[in-house]
Amino acid sequence: SQKIEQNSEALNIQEGKTATLTCNYTNYSPAYLQWYRQDPGRGPVFLLLIRENEKEKRKERLKVTFDTTLKQSLFHITASQPADSATYLCAAGSSASKIIFGSGTRLSIRP
Amino acid sequence: SAVISQKPSRDICQRGTSLTIQCQVDSQVTMMFWYRQQPGQSLTLIATANQGSEATYESGFVIDKFPISRPNLTFSTLTVSNMSPEDSSIYLCSVVPQREGRVQTQYFGPGTRLLVL
Repeated sequence: SQKIEQNSEALNIQEGKTATLTCNYTNYSPAYLQWYRQDPGRGPVFLLLIRENEKEKRKERLKVTFDTTLKQSLFHITASQPADSATYLCAAGSSASKIIFGSGTRLSIRP
Repeated sequence: SAVISQKPSRDICQRGTSLTIQCQVDSQVTMMFWYRQQPGQSLTLIATANQGSEATYESGFVIDKFPISRPNLTFSTLTVSNMSPEDSSIYLCSVVPQREGRVQTQYFGPGTRLLVL
């Protein structure tokens, strides 16, 4: 079955460093990947979209890559700040199927 | 984008009872969904709420347990019927305001946190 896998272990990063989160997909060829941020007790908030024909996308301190050979997306936050602490969800979609969400990776940025 | 509100934000219910969750959007949207999210778990799609017709349910979810209404393009309700402790979860409403080709960018409500005793 189609799967989106994210590292279930929390990621702890020192403030100012770059945080890198991984999303792997199996049995699936998504047309696009998305990253969402979810804070405790809140709904997910859309951050970035990258399409299958794009290698990299940037938005301010955020960068997303899409490697169709490795079947993987990497999500980077540069110059991380404590306010970046949240759970980050990866989602994959195509025209033929509904969006599939990963279970998320919890990121903690310590001052 | 879209601004979505949900009511109630949280509730504690007794087993065997039912709870109706409301989702209100600030603009007309075609695509509206209901998800469930258990602690530490991924979002699980319950159903697509269709305006003017019956909702489309995902495998493992049935209309008798999760009846959905969608009377117009800005409002939907999800009822969790005959609740058991296993129904304790966060229930989320989401919309796709505008589809860009194959891309569906979803906007989520704040969620309803349900605890069944």
